[in-house]
Amino acid sequence: AQKVTQAQTEISVVEKEDVTLDCVYETRDTTYYLFWYKQPPSGELVFLIRRNSFDEQNEISGRYSWNFQKSTSSFNFTITASQVVDSAVYFCALSEAGQAGTALIFGKGTTLSVSS
Amino acid sequence: GAVVSQHPSWVICKSGTSVKIECRSLDFQATTMFWYRQFPKQSLMLMATSNEGSKATYEQGVEKDKFLINHASLTLSTLTVTSAHPEDSSFYICSAAGAGSYNSPLHFGNGTRLTVT
Repeated sequence: AQKVTQAQTEISVVEKEDVTLDCVYETRDTTYYLFWYKQPPSGELVFLIRRNSFDEQNEISGRYSWNFQKSTSSFNFTITASQVVDSAVYFCALSEAGQAGTALIFGKGTTLSVSS
Repeated sequence: GAVVSQHPSWVICKSGTSVKIECRSLDFQATTMFWYRQFPKQSLMLMATSNEGSKATYEQGVEKDKFLINHASLTLSTLTVTSAHPEDSSFYICSAAGAGSYNSPLHFGNGTRLTVT
């Protein structure tokens, strides 16, 4: 069975601090995709990144970076120099690959609060 | 990029009435659409998967007679909450995938916040 675990329910940091959101996944598939989404208070899901299981390269996009390690089944997300606008719920998700339109399995989310 | 439009963004209805939520893919043909439900401070839970022209597949514990899903065209899927009750109050969000989209992220609508009074 597929499962995504985000052990951190809530994290509070002060602006300019770095923060890492953890994500651990379980799957029997050898081919799969991992995602991170941001959900601000307004509710919409903002796509941040998709990574396939064959690409373990870390990725950096501005203040965001992701560390994918298959050996530990983790796909952690780091925000550098956090800002108040980063306050949101962040979801890690997993889907099977090789099939068009496979549903995402979401973790429970981590609520990040950044104070000024 | 591809866009999914969901309407309405919020709705308040009386207990016992039915509510229809629309999910449209605006610039691609969505062969598969997914409906999720999110209760406050909880994760998104898949309710059902619909493929154009066929019956939806419901997740365990989701009442198919209560949550009617129609995916009659490649750009539109609807979720009807029949005989809504206060416990159906939730955030409903759809996502859509086009043919051959396994290399692309699924696209989500902006969600519908349903309040049943």
